[in-house]
Amino acid sequence: QKEVEQNSGPLSVPEGAIASLNCTYSDRGSQSFFWYRQYSGKSPELIMSIYSNGDQEDGRFTAQLNKASQYVSLLIRDSQPSDSATYLCAVNLGYSTLTFGKGTMLLVSP
Amino acid sequence: SAVISQKPSRDICQRGTSLTIQCQVDSQVTMMFWYRQQPGQSLTLIATANQGSEATYESGFVIDKFPISRPNLTFSTLTVSNMSPEDSSIYLCSVEGQPNTEAFFGQGTRLTVV
Repeated sequence: QKEVEQNSGPLSVPEGAIASLNCTYSDRGSQSFFWYRQYSGKSPELIMSIYSNGDQEDGRFTAQLNKASQYVSLLIRDSQPSDSATYLCAVNLGYSTLTFGKGTMLLVSP
Repeated sequence: SAVISQKPSRDICQRGTSLTIQCQVDSQVTMMFWYRQQPGQSLTLIATANQGSEATYESGFVIDKFPISRPNLTFSTLTVSNMSPEDSSIYLCSVEGQPNTEAFFGQGTRLTVV
């Protein structure tokens, strides 16, 4: 059974702070990892992809992957109220479809 | 990434009726995927739709309840049949960027069954 675990939150941070979102996965064969942002009532939007151990940065977003610990995280620097959303972690084994976590709700207060 | 158009964006339906959701992609894709997102939950894959063959359904989902069509490489439909309030969810159409990698989503269909 493939599982992707996330803390449901909400995670509350003040504007300008760093938000840290975490995700663990059960299948050691997982090869690719994704973070999606989902605003209320909207569909998920891909914001980060990571395929190898280490950090992947894109603007204010940094994805971190540790395959030994089966752990992937998303850091959002200089958090803005517009970052308030649910963040979904998704994992792919490389030969199948994505498995999604339940998501972490992030609230950024002005 | 592909542009995915899904309609209707929302609907309120009577129990016992059926609703067909359409998904149009702006480029040819081998596989299209249909997900369900129940209130407060994550995404659950319903089925994978390949052009020219029957859809492949995930555990817990059956063709009689969720018939899928895939007449060509840019279009698919999902029908939610004999609806009950438990079918109230967001239904999402999706395609892959590259095989077995990230997924891109349509706008979703918010279905309420009363």
